[in-house]
Parts: sequence; structure tokens; C-alpha cells
Amino acid sequence: DVVMTQTPPSLSVAIGQSVSISCKSSQSLVYSDGKTYLHWLLQSSGRSPKRLIYQVSNLDSGVPDRFSGTGSQKDFTLKISRVEAKDLGVYYCAQTTHFPLTFGSGTKLEIK
Amino acid sequence: EVQLVESGGGLVQPGRSLKLSCAASGFTFSDYAMAWVRQAPKKGLEWVATIIYDGSSTYYRDSVKGRFTISRDNAKSTLYLQMDSLRSEDTATYYCARPNYYSGDFDYWGQGVMVTVSS
Repeated sequence: DVVMTQTPPSLSVAIGQSVSISCKSSQSLVYSDGKTYLHWLLQSSGRSPKRLIYQVSNLDSGVPDRFSGTGSQKDFTLKISRVEAKDLGVYYCAQTTHFPLTFGSGTKLEIK
Repeated sequence: EVQLVESGGGLVQPGRSLKLSCAASGFTFSDYAMAWVRQAPKKGLEWVATIIYDGSSTYYRDSVKGRFTISRDNAKSTLYLQMDSLRSEDTATYYCARPNYYSGDFDYWGQGVMVTVSS
């Protein structure tokens, strides 16, 4: 199984600051079609997960451009610029290149 | 508007069975693969199973293979998860999710249904 190592497990930041979350996979996430199926989701407290970014860097509709995703092969980063209170929750990376599909362990973003 | 509404959860004894349903609306259900993802209390997300658009192929994580069966009724726009021989470690909130063919991720999620396996 592809292991997704996500760090840090938690972050406490002030409004307006920027943060980065790392996600490293145990195998390359480049599929045979040349695409990289690494995605980011946000789960706000008590809610179901919500799509944030797909295929490394593509923002879902309605996601502000304060969010950005970068990376390749086995090393990926989610960056949130100018954090707002509504950004709090648990962020997960996920890979859908290989079965079984796997998720990172999550990064809990808290606001100071 | 895409909607996924799960039902069928509850408290069940170890070794018993339970069947979850997910009613889909707002899109052409028969055009999409569908999946179940679970989340144990205070834990992360764990993919359980996927079924392709016409039900002809299914995929499972090893820990549920032989015990869980994913199926669908395209005429009713409904996804199912039959869970047999349940174990305490199957206790979780189960989400129905829609894989997006083009992006490869789960673009829509249901609200989730809780399954508790306990004597």
C-alpha cells in the first residue's frame, strides 16, 4: 500500500499568517497516463470532507487562490496564504493513483 | 445540485450484518463510479470500496475483502454496502463519495452514517 506521510499533525497560526503542510508518498504518484493523482481535502469540525485541490495544483470551484498546491512524484505541499478563521479544520492529502486508495493522517489547523 | 444521502447505520453486534444505502441525486448516477470511505472515531479517512459505473468491477481494501460487498442499482440511483461478519474495528462513520472520472479525486461526499459494532 502507498503510505502517505503528512506533517505536521497540527498547526496553530494567527489570522493573516501563512502555513504549509507537507505530504510525502512512499511511491511515485505519477500514473501511466502521465497525470499525478494527489489531492487535498478539508474536513471542518463535524462535517464531511470537502474537495479542495485535485491533481496536485487544481483548485476546486469556489476555493480562494489563497490556497495553492505544489509538488511532484512523491513530495507535495499545500500552502495557505493569509489564513482566515474559516480555514480551520483538518486537512488531508489523498492519492488515487494506486489501489488501495490512501489518505494522509491529517493536519489539524487551529487559529491562535 | 449533487446530493448523496446515506442511511442504514446503527448499533450492531460483532459477527452480525448491516446494509448501508446511499441515495444519489443531481447527476446521472449511471455515468459515475462510486465509493465508500470510512472514518473511525477521532481517526483519519480510510477508503473501503469502489464500484465502476455499471457495477461490472469492484475494488476493496484487504481488511474488508470477503466480508463487505459494494453494489449499485442504477435504476434507483442508489449505492449499497453490505457488511457481513462485522468486527469492532469496523466501527466508523461511513461516507458515500463520488469519484470524478477526469480529476480522479472524490468530488462529492455524503453527510455520513455512523456504524457501531459492539456487544
